[in-house]
Amino acid sequence: GENVEQHPSTLSVQEGDSAVIKCTYSDSASNYFPWYKQELGKRPQLIIDIRSNVGEKKDQRIAVTLNKTAKHFSLHITETQPEDSAVYFCAASYNNNDMRFGAGTRLTVKP
Amino acid sequence: EPEVTQTPSHQVTQMGQEVILRCVPISNHLYFYWYRQILGQKVEFLVSFYNNEISEKSEIFDDQFSVERPDGSNFTLKIRSTKLEDSAMYFCASSALGGNQPQHFGDGTRLSIL
Repeated sequence: GENVEQHPSTLSVQEGDSAVIKCTYSDSASNYFPWYKQELGKRPQLIIDIRSNVGEKKDQRIAVTLNKTAKHFSLHITETQPEDSAVYFCAASYNNNDMRFGAGTRLTVKP
Repeated sequence: EPEVTQTPSHQVTQMGQEVILRCVPISNHLYFYWYRQILGQKVEFLVSFYNNEISEKSEIFDDQFSVERPDGSNFTLKIRSTKLEDSAMYFCASSALGGNQPQHFGDGTRLSIL
């Protein structure tokens, strides 16, 4: 089955700096890669996703890149703000089935 | 914006008892999912459900677990004989179509087994 590794486990940045979170996956058949933000005690919320037919996707301050050959994908947050502080999870699946999550990255943005 | 709703928000149950967690997916969604998150850990896939049958299940989803769509709106997860290690947050999710459409999560049910 799919196995997703995520790094780093914790990340602390100054407000305004960029944050990068990296994930690798094991199953070359995986074709859908969402990123979720989870605040303490809340539901995971989808912030961006990418499908295997594209290499990069951007939505305002958030971007995701995908390298299918190397089987890794990354989340980039620019101009970070204190409200970006949360746990971020990457995930991978084939056609949205059996979605496997990474272990999470706790991002802290210091004002 | 439509939401996935889950009840109850917190369930406390004695070990060995049966528990049913309830979810109302977004109304025009066709695919339904259950996930588990042990406190401080990652989200773990349990099962996906489409057209009144299980599409995929993980190694966690053993014979103690079952899912059902008893009517046109509810989607339930039953744990037949709870164990201490079943204590976790259980999230329901739904998506509009199967292939690579965003999954929308409910607020979860915190299950505490005593």
